[in-house]
Amino acid sequence: RKEVEQDPGPFNVPEGATVAFNCTYSNSASQSFFWYRQDCRKEPKLLMSVYSSGNEDGRFTAQLNRASQYISLLIRDSKLSDSATYLCVVTYSGGGADGLTFGKGTHLIIQP
Amino acid sequence: DAGVIQSPRHEVTEMGQEVTLRCKPISGHDYLFWYRQTMMRGLELLIYFNNNVPIDDSGMPEDRFSAKMPNASFSTLKIQPSEPRDSAVYFCASKDRRRLSSPLHFGNGTRLTVT
Repeated sequence: RKEVEQDPGPFNVPEGATVAFNCTYSNSASQSFFWYRQDCRKEPKLLMSVYSSGNEDGRFTAQLNRASQYISLLIRDSKLSDSATYLCVVTYSGGGADGLTFGKGTHLIIQP
Repeated sequence: DAGVIQSPRHEVTEMGQEVTLRCKPISGHDYLFWYRQTMMRGLELLIYFNNNVPIDDSGMPEDRFSAKMPNASFSTLKIQPSEPRDSAVYFCASKDRRRLSSPLHFGNGTRLTVT
């Protein structure tokens, strides 16, 4: 079983719609969680950290469900510029390099 | 801070040549990572350093690949001899080891093409 799993998509979503996708992790000792965004031919960039109580940044909402071991990302009022690949990252204390583990990414396409 | 700085941005070379990729991490970051990304294999961790010491190089494809970190502000990834299958984007990233909650910061990457 892969440590961090994401639906690769692509998710084709009309502009203005709400879209959500999840990332599941297998290590129950995981402690820190992040969503990264990667545009075509660019480096991954931090979108937002994911906090235990959930957090929001403008149109983006991230949530953590420890019981079911997944994190989610919800994008409201999607824009064409949201088209990208979204990577989830999980870390845990005691792992080499903080146990940094990337998902393979979910490809999102916002259509006009 | 300028962020993680990589050079060159693009490298085109012929099979058999030596390639050297360079990285300057964010000042104060203890961890430095080298990743390779291709369409087929996604993002792969090649090696990482902790306080300039290589900790895990199990991701390095083979002996043709080597990485060094002579000081806290500089690292190199060398491929010798290069092969067409090495064509990929190579990312360097750094992280503050003291806080588990600190994120990973990537450089712009080096796009390597071996012909």
